[in-house]
Amino acid sequence: AQTVTQSQPEMSVQEAETVTLSCTYDTSESNYYLFWYKQPPSRQMILVIRQEAYKQQNATENRFSVNFQKAAKSFSLKISDSQLGDTAMYFCAFMKHSGGGADGLTFGKGTHLIIQP
Amino acid sequence: SQTIHQWPATLVQPVGSPLSLECTVEGTSNPNLYWYRQAAGRGLQLLFYSVGIGQISSEVPQNLSASRPQDRQFILSSKKLLLSDSGFYLCAWTNQPGQKTSGNTIYFGEGSWLTVV
Repeated sequence: AQTVTQSQPEMSVQEAETVTLSCTYDTSESNYYLFWYKQPPSRQMILVIRQEAYKQQNATENRFSVNFQKAAKSFSLKISDSQLGDTAMYFCAFMKHSGGGADGLTFGKGTHLIIQP
Repeated sequence: SQTIHQWPATLVQPVGSPLSLECTVEGTSNPNLYWYRQAAGRGLQLLFYSVGIGQISSEVPQNLSASRPQDRQFILSSKKLLLSDSGFYLCAWTNQPGQKTSGNTIYFGEGSWLTVV
């Protein structure tokens, strides 16, 4: 079974600063996918960024980027030029490649990110 | 493009009453479908997943059941609700392996708040 650990229950930064959210995972799978999802106060789960484990290049999406360290089983999310709208719960999630995603996602407990004006 | 809808958005039900939450995906065929629950202050827990019509797998023994009567319809039910069934329920989907779009990424509906009183 897989486990995902987010060690920062809550973080707070000033608007326009850069913030990094931590995530570690444990798995015996060799091929898998890692995700960061954002859950704003509306509670809808929104995909932020996706990383395929067999790709060495770190994924980026505009102000969001990841630092994927496969050997260390670490998958951190960096948010640059943070904005008030980035305030949300952020969940790190794992999905194994085998089985075609039928088993779904394994989530961490989340980090509550607060962007201060 | 693919969309997912889930309803009702909010539900207040007495203990012992039945439950039916419905989810529909549009713009794709034969998706994997999922029901997750998010209890207050906790992460997401996978309840059920389905890889096809009539094919349901349960991750956690509980008071709930799921059905997939049509290819893109997924229903979460209970015959008699318990207080512990309260929470935020999220339906999600992903394409099967081999399909061109959105493969190996899970997308979520808007969620349904259930309060059992």
